Amino acid sequence: DTEVTQTPKHLVMGMTNKKSLKCEQHMGHRAMYWYKQKAKKPPELMFVYSYEKLSINESVPSRFSPECPNSSLLNLHLHALQPEDSALYLCASSHEGSSYNEQFFGPGTRLTVL
Amino acid sequence: KNEVEQSPQNLTAQEGEFITINCSYSVGISALHWLQQHPGGGIVSLFMLSSGKKKHGRLIATINIQEKHSSLHITASHPRDSAVYICAVSLLRGSNYKLTFGKGTLLTVNP
Repeated sequence: DTEVTQTPKHLVMGMTNKKSLKCEQHMGHRAMYWYKQKAKKPPELMFVYSYEKLSINESVPSRFSPECPNSSLLNLHLHALQPEDSALYLCASSHEGSSYNEQFFGPGTRLTVL
Repeated sequence: KNEVEQSPQNLTAQEGEFITINCSYSVGISALHWLQQHPGGGIVSLFMLSSGKKKHGRLIATINIQEKHSSLHITASHPRDSAVYICAVSLLRGSNYKLTFGKGTLLTVNP
């Protein structure tokens, strides 16, 4: 299995809602990532988990809360989002400890905040 | 100046044409990645290069480490090749987790 899966594909939520994005991989990768991508821009790194521990938080607002319950799963919990948080949220994974850092991306969740 | 520069920003071609997208970088790298993103879609890793040349089907990627330059070539282009192509680098002196991305090249192949 060489795939990163993400659910849901699309999500529409209000500013008072709580929702979660899910990401799964079964490639044995021990590093997992969340990216945010706005239209016509490259992805921006949000969080990195290494061996299920948060390794990098790129100063992301606390309304985004990541969780890595096990080595295959990565969640992003959303609460009290703003309309400007509407974007494509991409999950990725990679082997741990490689300086080459080849990342495998999922198809993304298209989030719209009303 | 961005550490990774791509050219052109936009490229329109007719089906069957040979296409070249260029990427220049200004820092030491351990690897260079070519990524493809179809409109509204996720990102697919096409190539990872640290030296030389790689080929996969109609796609060829080359890198010249001395000149800090890489090219992605598409032979016999097809409308399904229409996508954004992104060059990204893993920095030699940097986090093993971070990629530095170019701004992407939007390729449109007309039938």
